[in-house]
Parts: sequence; C-alpha cells; structure tokens
Amino acid sequence: SQQGEEDPQALSIQEGENATMNCSYKTSINNLQWYRQNSGRGLVHLILIRSNEREKHSGRLRVTLDTSKKSSSLLITASRAADTASYFCATDAFFSGNTGKLIFGQGTTLQVKP
Amino acid sequence: DADVTQTPRNRITKTGKRIMLECSQTKGHDRMYWYRQDPGLGLQLIYYSFDVKDINKGEISDGYSVSRQAQAKFSLSLESAIPNQTALYFCATSDLQGGVNEQFFGPGTRLTVL
Repeated sequence: SQQGEEDPQALSIQEGENATMNCSYKTSINNLQWYRQNSGRGLVHLILIRSNEREKHSGRLRVTLDTSKKSSSLLITASRAADTASYFCATDAFFSGNTGKLIFGQGTTLQVKP
Repeated sequence: DADVTQTPRNRITKTGKRIMLECSQTKGHDRMYWYRQDPGLGLQLIYYSFDVKDINKGEISDGYSVSRQAQAKFSLSLESAIPNQTALYFCATSDLQGGVNEQFFGPGTRLTVL
C-alpha cells in the first residue's frame, strides 16, 4: 500500500516559474524525504525534513511539513528545463524505533518548458 | 549513483524462465533494498536486508526471492517469471547515518517478460 499520495500527478510550467508539489501520508513519521527521478533512471535524494521541523531550504528547494495535517510540500523556485523529472516523497514511518523502510508516493511528473 | 551498480541493465526473457538480477555496492552500507517500479507509479518494496544474516519481505515479495551473499551484494531472483513482473527494478542502499534512512539507488534493471 502507498503511504504517500502526491498531488498533482503531472505539472507543466514555463521556465522561470515556481513549481509546487504536495504529498500527504497516513501514519506517524520520523522524517519525510523527497527524491528526484530522471526518466528511466534511479532516484536521487534531494532533501529531508524531520518530524520536528516545519520548513527546510536547500538551494532552490523549499520543503514544508505539517504533521497535524500529515502533509508536505516541495517548492522549486525559478524552475529550469533541467528540473524536468519525476519527484517522489518518501516517508520514514515510525515502527517502534526501527526506521527500516521508506514508503514512496506515486510521484509528480514535472515538465518545465524552455 | 555509480557506487551502486546493477546487472543486467536490460533483460528480455520468456514466461517460466528463472531470472537473477544482481546488485553490488561500494558504499559500505549494511542495508540493501529491492524495489519494483511500474510505469507511472511509485516504488514498491520487494525485499530488504539490514545485514548479511537478515532478510525481510516487503510489500510485494510473492514470486521473488533474494540472497545476500555479502555486505556488498544483494541479488533478486524471479523463480518462474510471468508477464506481470515486467517492470523497472531498483536496488538501493542505506546506512542509517545520523538515524536517517537516506537511500542511494542503482541505475535500475528494465525487465521484460514475454
């Protein structure tokens, strides 16, 4: 079963615009991570936010986490054509201290038009 | 990530054949994972291993088996391949550094079962 539900499933914007993707999850978590996947390739870790954090920045990326709503958002500012990829949230759910598994959402496919 | 390699990268096989996908890592991580990705979907966990003597089933282990031959090697077998096992398969590793399960992915194996 998928813990993460991502919205929208697909997003198309012009270069220079901002892109926002949302992720909702169901169970308590230790942290939430965002990954990027270029077409047909392996996933690459982008950024992690812990359950006691509300916002985090890394370059043009901004992640927010609202544990009361069990949701997170990823904002990519000043998008570039090279940002075209699929983006996945992954939750590290809390199992009595065993953070052994990540549960991935279905992803948002972002297209940035030059 | 070049530190996590998968062989073969592409494989076409027939229904009923036994197939082995191999994963090797030079990151020195204890934890290794096998995922399956179907078109337009997120990743589903097949099996995972926290060390050489530890093997755990994931969400979709039926029809699959694994072997952790060494810390650096984790192989996935399809005992009798069927067409609905056609998918992209990813291996991943992590070491839980700082209590965080950040995962590092291989480039993937594209498997087609005819």
